[in-house]
Amino acid sequence: EAGVAQSPRYKIIEKRQSVAFWCNPISGHATLYWYQQILGQGPKLLIQFQNNGVVDDSQLPKDRFSAERLKGVDSTLKIQPAKLEDSAVYLCASSLGRDGYTFGSGTRLTVV
Amino acid sequence: GEDVEQSLFLSVREGDSSVINCTYTDSSSTYLYWYKQEPGAGLQLLTYIFSNMDMKQDQRLTVLLNKKDKHLSLRIADTQTGDSAIYFCAESNGEYGNKLVFGAGTILRVKS
Repeated sequence: EAGVAQSPRYKIIEKRQSVAFWCNPISGHATLYWYQQILGQGPKLLIQFQNNGVVDDSQLPKDRFSAERLKGVDSTLKIQPAKLEDSAVYLCASSLGRDGYTFGSGTRLTVV
Repeated sequence: GEDVEQSLFLSVREGDSSVINCTYTDSSSTYLYWYKQEPGAGLQLLTYIFSNMDMKQDQRLTVLLNKKDKHLSLRIADTQTGDSAIYFCAESNGEYGNKLVFGAGTILRVKS
């Protein structure tokens, strides 16, 4: 089975620019997550979708971050405008049940 | 609130056993997970344990759970150089698709 696909793998932008990340989950996985992993820390949930509805976005900085999941499949995460502290790896994951998530390889964002 | 703590670093010799420890605060945690992250890669699920279990064994991996003390450990038998990675403990309070709360990770270094 194909894994969780993410693109791009790397992105370098200047502060105040905007950026978007894309995720394609495993086929049939209704639940999709975006996590932010800052260097030296564990991943932190930004937003969780169930099909195309938002279940939990309590940790999403809504003044600059937005996410959508069209037709309950692919998802995009956008940052506008980016700040230096947004430098991190953005991980997408999908889940079918209680046996854990499948994570993508992540997008490494550097804001300079 | 939820919090997961891990020791930062562990160094072992090849062939020895490794024990990585984790403590958590959420008494309603239902599932506890161990993930492995190699450099530049996403998170790989190693194993998970349901909170009504004390122990789970899977080949070289043994998970011990002390629910009273909210302590989780991962033992890797016959540790190999390929086991060098960052190991994350994570907890979920159990509903299908609930968010994972991660620790900061333990760096395991295996010396040959």
